[in-house]
Amino acid sequence: VQLVESGGGFIKPGGSLRLSCAASGFTFTNALMSWVRQAPGKGLEWVGRIRRQIDGETTDYAAPVEDRFTISRDDSKNTVYLQMNSLKTEDTAVYYCTQEGLGISPDYWGQGTLVTVSS
Amino acid sequence: NFMLTQPHSVSGSPGKTVTISCTRSSGSIASNFVQWYQQGPGSSPTTVIYGDKERPSGVPDRFSGSIDRSSNSASLTISGLKTEDEADYYCQSYDGSNQVFGGGTKLTVL
Repeated sequence: VQLVESGGGFIKPGGSLRLSCAASGFTFTNALMSWVRQAPGKGLEWVGRIRRQIDGETTDYAAPVEDRFTISRDDSKNTVYLQMNSLKTEDTAVYYCTQEGLGISPDYWGQGTLVTVSS
Repeated sequence: NFMLTQPHSVSGSPGKTVTISCTRSSGSIASNFVQWYQQGPGSSPTTVIYGDKERPSGVPDRFSGSIDRSSNSASLTISGLKTEDEADYYCQSYDGSNQVFGGGTKLTVL
């Protein structure tokens, strides 16, 4: 399993950024995909998930981001996206893409991409 | 909503055994699977335990997970400590559809 995030960078408050996560080594169409973030020197915080196409590609979000972030997927490209709008300084973090196992199988993590929101 | 509480730090000597606890604030610890992740310095997390007590392939059997209904907590036990085990460890479970993480425990191998 390989998950490679990209798209991080420096952005001013109020701006937008789209992260990508390219997946390989497993059947992406069957995978539940999530994003987890980690602020500098802090712990892990779940951001949200997207279900499989056969489950309607429905999404769940953590309360701090639910009105600003959108997760989508393109199964033809084995890629999941995190669209982040109205960014705040408190969104500064390393963002990890994960294949979520729900406790039935292991979670797999990408290497992360850093997003810095600052004026 | 519930919280998962972990000790900030634990330590142990090489060859010894340490246990990291993860206490659920409300609702039963047995209601939802608990996962444990290891995060070395400058690295991304990796799964060491999933489904309360299952080990992914490649994780040594020195790592074991359990839950205790009486204390409403999960535990990660690492036996035969090695210096390479020094890392941050996070427990994780589910609150409905949401993932909940513990605050993390720094393991120091003295």
